[in-house]
Amino acid sequence: DTGVSQDPRHKITKRGQNVTFRCDPISEHNRLYWYRQTLGQGPEFLTYFQNEAQLEKSRLLSDRFSAERPKGSFSTLEIQRTEQGDSAMYLCASSPRTGGNYEQYFGPGTRLTVT
Amino acid sequence: AQSVTQLGSHVSVSEGALVLLRCNYSSSVPPYLFWYVQYPNQGLQLLLKYTSAATLVKGINGFEAEFKKSETSFHLTKPSAHMSDAAEYFCAVSDQANRDDKIIFGKGTRLHILP
Repeated sequence: DTGVSQDPRHKITKRGQNVTFRCDPISEHNRLYWYRQTLGQGPEFLTYFQNEAQLEKSRLLSDRFSAERPKGSFSTLEIQRTEQGDSAMYLCASSPRTGGNYEQYFGPGTRLTVT
Repeated sequence: AQSVTQLGSHVSVSEGALVLLRCNYSSSVPPYLFWYVQYPNQGLQLLLKYTSAATLVKGINGFEAEFKKSETSFHLTKPSAHMSDAAEYFCAVSDQANRDDKIIFGKGTRLHILP
């Protein structure tokens, strides 16, 4: 396994612009999670997918946020009309959910700065 | 609702001294409990996890944690601190019944190692 990868690692954007992040989970992991981590805080759950189905969304995920996992492999997280409060580290994790292994494996994150 | 409270946002210990990071949890159902470590500008790495088997859990890098139901605690310890242990540590909880459902993280404790 090559691990969970995220792209880009850093993104600087101006307020009002749209941004999209990509997460590639570990191969054959059927669950994929998105978390957001602001400075000095622990990660907060945003949403997760079982294969291509989005099963739960946090109240933190406003209507400016949308996540997809179209073929049950990679996922994208889009933020429309970014605001300064969106500045954070966006973490992706994947889990196999088979064979008694329910651990979530985290990627390196995408750090978003909204100016 | 589940939650975790980490006591102390910053902890400093001398190299070679005992490391003790405190975590108390709240859960209405049997929990899974985790400790994660995060190095600067990196994602989260799992140190250890409690999944209702042995109450004393051994993890990587010489860390261990003990689940105490009566005290609702899951404190992290290491007998002898090393400079490379300097990082942010997160205690986390998830719903055991739902297995790898979303993880709820504490706010983190930054561990400083004094030479």
